[in-house]
Amino acid sequence: DGGITQSPKYLFRKEGQNVTLSCEQNLNHDAMYWYRQDPGQGLRLIYYSQIVNDFQKGDIAEGYSVSREKKESFPLTVTSAQKNPTAFYLCASSTRTSGNQETQYFGPGTRLLVL
Amino acid sequence: AQSVAQPEDQVNVAEGNPLTVKCTYSVSGNPYLFWYVQYPNRGLQFLLKYITGDNLVKGSYGFEAEFNKSQTSFHLKKPSALVSDSALYFCAVRDSVNQGGKLIFGQGTELSVKP
Repeated sequence: DGGITQSPKYLFRKEGQNVTLSCEQNLNHDAMYWYRQDPGQGLRLIYYSQIVNDFQKGDIAEGYSVSREKKESFPLTVTSAQKNPTAFYLCASSTRTSGNQETQYFGPGTRLLVL
Repeated sequence: AQSVAQPEDQVNVAEGNPLTVKCTYSVSGNPYLFWYVQYPNRGLQFLLKYITGDNLVKGSYGFEAEFNKSQTSFHLKKPSALVSDSALYFCAVRDSVNQGGKLIFGQGTELSVKP
């Protein structure tokens, strides 16, 4: 899992509650990503950020929000608008080049469960 | 549309036998292809990637992958499987068109190596 940490490992959400997942990296990577993993569906992109103070929606951004105030940190908030939040959430980071050849490295993941 | 397909949900192999995990892709432009492995409740670990050059790519833990442009395939191989290779394997292709170079994942193949 390299220099990417995610916390907590498990997170429980009550109905109507917003929860925030932490992702920190010490790899000096410019780009960071959030993916959601559901059984049998591979990983799907929620949000990504290529540089501090900038981020873009991915394929399934509805019900989620992010911030990128520091290069090292890319927290994900799962809002009450996300009706099916139970999943395994993975954060990744990579260097940023023009050729898109760089490897993405993943954190250990956070499992979100709904009470 | 860009996509990745892993046609087998599960692959069963006896320890010591060669293994192959299949992947086919559809992309616009040059394909940047990746293989990752995931152990239970863990993040994804990078195994290898194809950017350009030799069609046979060598990676971590004795794995290799063969890029075949005419068949649009990037199958993962290992000459002699170990029980510890049992895990979930993901093939991915870099989105060369948009979305900040996100990875497009296959649905995953569960590899089971029996003693």
